Amino acid sequence: GAVVSQHPSRVICKSGTSVKIECRSLDFQATTMFWYRQFPKKSLMLMATSNEGSKATYEQGVEKDKFLINHASLTLSTLTVTSAHPEDSSFYICSARMAGRDTEAFFGQGTRLTVV
Amino acid sequence: GQNIDQPTEMTATEGAIVQINCTYQTSGFNGLFWYQQHAGEAPTFLSYNVLDGLEEKGRFSSFLSRSKGYSYLLLKELQMKDSASYLCAAMDSNYQLIWGAGTKLIIKP
Repeated sequence: GAVVSQHPSRVICKSGTSVKIECRSLDFQATTMFWYRQFPKKSLMLMATSNEGSKATYEQGVEKDKFLINHASLTLSTLTVTSAHPEDSSFYICSARMAGRDTEAFFGQGTRLTVV
Repeated sequence: GQNIDQPTEMTATEGAIVQINCTYQTSGFNGLFWYQQHAGEAPTFLSYNVLDGLEEKGRFSSFLSRSKGYSYLLLKELQMKDSASYLCAAMDSNYQLIWGAGTKLIIKP
């Protein structure tokens, strides 16, 4: 149980285009989903926290107009990187948490984004 | 400020035991997590401690001392597949995870 599916696992896009990454909780309802970005040999950097049906809360320094997050249902959250640039190339990971704040967060497989 | 410290890299021999330490400073505390992350993959959950003491789960054990702001992950009977990064994360009073940079564990035959 507690499977989180993230799609796509790898994507290459051209500069200036937009890319959408999906994060689905397959067998539980995710009241909260988190989006992380990870640079090589670095820790996970929280980008934003999203609760179903409400606007995402972005961390300081993260451009909300560039990284659009939608949490339309209890099983799906999407991250759209708009007008992507090479510096947006990174490993993006989502995680989902069930109701009950102190439970572990379950991670998706991650998406390797390369902007050329 | 909030901070997590863990060694950058450790090397151990197949079949041996290794202990990865983690110290934390957070605003409030709601538990300490350990995750394993293989290169290019997302982290996978290993353990969660919120009370002092040792939690054993197969070859892996995790220890917590809240008064010292200290945890360790103990890996026994090391296997080559244990070569990975091990991330320590503390949950603060807002239930947010504060992540360490990870410890890269290299297993040698």
